[in-house]
Amino acid sequence: GDSVTQMEGPVTLSEEAFLTINCTYTATGYPSLFWYVQYPGEGLQLLLKATKADDKGSNKGFEATYRKETTSFHLEKGSVQVSDSAVYFCALSRSSASKIIFGSGTRLSIRP
Amino acid sequence: EAQVTQNPRYLITVTGKKLTVTCSQNMNHEYMSWYRQDPGLGLRQIYYSMNVEVTDKGDVPEGYKVSRKEKRNFPLILESPSPNQTSLYFCASVAGGKVTEAFFGQGTRLTVV
Repeated sequence: GDSVTQMEGPVTLSEEAFLTINCTYTATGYPSLFWYVQYPGEGLQLLLKATKADDKGSNKGFEATYRKETTSFHLEKGSVQVSDSAVYFCALSRSSASKIIFGSGTRLSIRP
Repeated sequence: EAQVTQNPRYLITVTGKKLTVTCSQNMNHEYMSWYRQDPGLGLRQIYYSMNVEVTDKGDVPEGYKVSRKEKRNFPLILESPSPNQTSLYFCASVAGGKVTEAFFGQGTRLTVV
């Protein structure tokens, strides 16, 4: 069945450092791929998405590219801020929209 | 404002005492789901609904019930809660069609003692 694997956390970085959170998926066909972010005490919110191979999703300085050949959707940001501290989830879904499959989440902490 | 509203945010209850967590969305979305979030396991789907009166099991449905009598509401029912249902619960809605990203409620932290 479909699955998502993302790097284990926690990840701790200094402010202005470069961020990469790895995500790979297993699925047949062409699912849509997402990154969701969960700030402390809140629900998940969509950070960015990509719906087909080679698409790049971007938002708030974060980027991720849908790589069909490596089945990956790594999250990157060039210069992180303290306000980026949160838990990040990689996810995939199919066109039926009945189910979203999540990775286990990566907790990111940014030091001032 | 488009939103998914869950209540209550926090709940402590005793084993065996029936409880209901409510979920409501104001976006006229077709799909609604319940997830539980546990450390190291990410989010796992409990139940989902594709429309009014249409529900189906997700990955971890044991011990839970749902209903979808109105499009906007999707309550989660625990008939006889047990300590292993202590978790953080999220309701989500999806528009459907080509739009598959989900909108989430703020979560309900449930403790069963």
